Amino acid sequence: SQTIHQWPATLVQPVGSPLSLECTVEGTSNPNLYWYRQAAGRGLQLLFYSVGIGQISSEVPQNLSASRPQDRQFILSSKKLLLSDSGFYLCAWSVGLSGKNEQYFGPGTRLTVT
Amino acid sequence: AQSVTQLGSHVSVSEGALVLLRCNYSSSVPPYLFWYVQYPNQGLQLLLKYTSAATLVKGINGFEAEFKKSETSFHLTKPSAHMSDAAEYFCAVSAPLNFGNEKLTFGTGTRLTIIP
Repeated sequence: SQTIHQWPATLVQPVGSPLSLECTVEGTSNPNLYWYRQAAGRGLQLLFYSVGIGQISSEVPQNLSASRPQDRQFILSSKKLLLSDSGFYLCAWSVGLSGKNEQYFGPGTRLTVT
Repeated sequence: AQSVTQLGSHVSVSEGALVLLRCNYSSSVPPYLFWYVQYPNQGLQLLLKYTSAATLVKGINGFEAEFKKSETSFHLTKPSAHMSDAAEYFCAVSAPLNFGNEKLTFGTGTRLTIIP
């Protein structure tokens, strides 16, 4: 069966520090991968998605970046965090080329920028 | 572009009462629609999805939703609320992206509170 992991689960970082969040998927090949941010009371905002290794599409311009160094690994990074980067970050995966296919979400990372 | 609107950011129902969470969509093409549930500090879990087959879709935990094209709605219901249903619920619509990928556009969520 497929599983998705995110780490760390929680993170407290000072403003201006770098960030690296990791997401890995097991039990499937060539998944589509997604990074979302969830701010309180604002639903889910799609940040990045990837359809393959090295292929990254950005949905919202910001000081975050994403990379996909391996088929089932998706990394979210920042060189200098802002207070507004605080939130709950969710990684998700899906398969197939049809919009019928649901996304499966990881457990999330709670990021607090102080 | 696709979008969804969830009416009511907070809904409270008594234990045993009917749960009704509203979702209206906007789409220029036949949509695929989803309901997800999120428990505190957890990821999202799929409840059910509509993919143009039967308009009444049954999901997990006793939830169901009916696709009504004439009303552009996809409301989520459960006949009898349970304390364990307390969570946040998200409606989502899919839209095609480049390379055949799909993107989910989420509503802002409805927090469901169950009154003992």
